[in-house]
Amino acid sequence: EVQLVESGGGLVKPGGSLRLSCAAPGFTFSNAWMNWVRQAPGKGLEWLGRIKTRTEGGTTDYAAPVKGRFTISRDDSKNTLYLQVNSLKTEDTALYYCTTDQGINWLDPWGQGILVTVSS
Amino acid sequence: QSALTQPATVSGSPGQSITISCTGTSSDVGGYNYVSWYQQHPGKAPKVMIYEVSHRPSGVSNRFSGSKSGNTASLTISGLQAEDEADYYCSSYTSSSTLVFGGGTKLTVL
Repeated sequence: EVQLVESGGGLVKPGGSLRLSCAAPGFTFSNAWMNWVRQAPGKGLEWLGRIKTRTEGGTTDYAAPVKGRFTISRDDSKNTLYLQVNSLKTEDTALYYCTTDQGINWLDPWGQGILVTVSS
Repeated sequence: QSALTQPATVSGSPGQSITISCTGTSSDVGGYNYVSWYQQHPGKAPKVMIYEVSHRPSGVSNRFSGSKSGNTASLTISGLQAEDEADYYCSSYTSSSTLVFGGGTKLTVL
């Protein structure tokens, strides 16, 4: 069974930065498109972005609200996905999930999520 | 890319059928057969219930079905059970090569 485990969250001041990680052990990580999705407290799901496989150029796509501020990367040697988040705002407070594409827009499985709180 | 439009709440009694709609545009729902539906119970990660408009992943009950007409996709749950009470989100691929979610629908089983 594929498991995704996020880490790196916590309390950050507005304007700060954070790097989230998503470990994917026991999974053919290098062949997978990987995504980040977040959910603000009591709110709905928001897709943040995706990174394709290295053989597909490692191309990234981002949701318009976070483009330029968030960066997705991957290290296939470590089976790990990253999300670099900069210039954090209070509205970035959310549970951040990593998930993989089984097919286009077929997101499965999902990690358990990692909480990022932006507050002074 | 604006969020897809879903009703905020839907309810039904055990054994009944309900349908949740998801309305987008020709640049997302209407333009591609890449609509998926996710179930989320409180405190849990989302779980895919339907992908590519109408396909069920292995292990998902056949009480769940999906369809699409024009710019609107639908999720139907038949034979409602108490365990179906959850939040449901639709999602679509878009012409910008991005994904977009709906605002979510809270299903209450009366």
